[in-house]
Amino acid sequence: NAGVTQTPKFRVLKTGQSMTLLCAQDMNHEYMYWYRQDPGMGLRLIHYSVGEGTTAKGEVPDGYNVSRLKKQNFLLGLESAAPSQTSVYFCASSYWVSGRAMYNEQFFGPGTRLTVL
Amino acid sequence: AQSVTQLGSHVSVSEGALVLLRCNYSSSVPPYLFWYVQYPNQGLQLLLKYTSAATLVKGINGFEAEFKKSETSFHLTKPSAHMSDAAEYFCAVSRGVNDMRFGAGTRLTVKP
Repeated sequence: NAGVTQTPKFRVLKTGQSMTLLCAQDMNHEYMYWYRQDPGMGLRLIHYSVGEGTTAKGEVPDGYNVSRLKKQNFLLGLESAAPSQTSVYFCASSYWVSGRAMYNEQFFGPGTRLTVL
Repeated sequence: AQSVTQLGSHVSVSEGALVLLRCNYSSSVPPYLFWYVQYPNQGLQLLLKYTSAATLVKGINGFEAEFKKSETSFHLTKPSAHMSDAAEYFCAVSRGVNDMRFGAGTRLTVKP
């Protein structure tokens, strides 16, 4: 199993350009997430999906859009990139553990380093 | 609302010394707690998790953490640091599908 993969690994954009980051998972997980990681701020949730065809906003959704057309894929789009979107982006997928304990355990991709000039 | 505070953005220890990384949480209900490790230029990898079973949790690479409800803490320890432990460590708290909250991270340096 490849786990969670992300494409591309690195990208440099100019202000105003658009791009799409692709996340794929082969673990048949229902839930998928996009985070951004900035120095001293940990990971912050951008958008997430609880199943194919569904998406929802996270903590910092402005300037981003997402789509989950297939269960295994979760796309993150930047329509008009801004320097404030320079960051490392991580995708994660998870399954829900139910029973005596109920929680989700997330599995992360290797990240995409994006620089917006 | 729930949140996580990691005390100390940088911790430096000598090889063979005790590693202690601190994490305190705030949650209105009993939480589920996680420690993740991030090696340079890689994604996050789960070290261990607390899911309301045993309060002392053992993870990979010799790490363990103890859940202390009275102190709202979930500190990560390892008896003897190894050079390969140098990485960034994140504490996280979760109560549902969309509410995983991460601390700011602690960068561990191991000196020879």
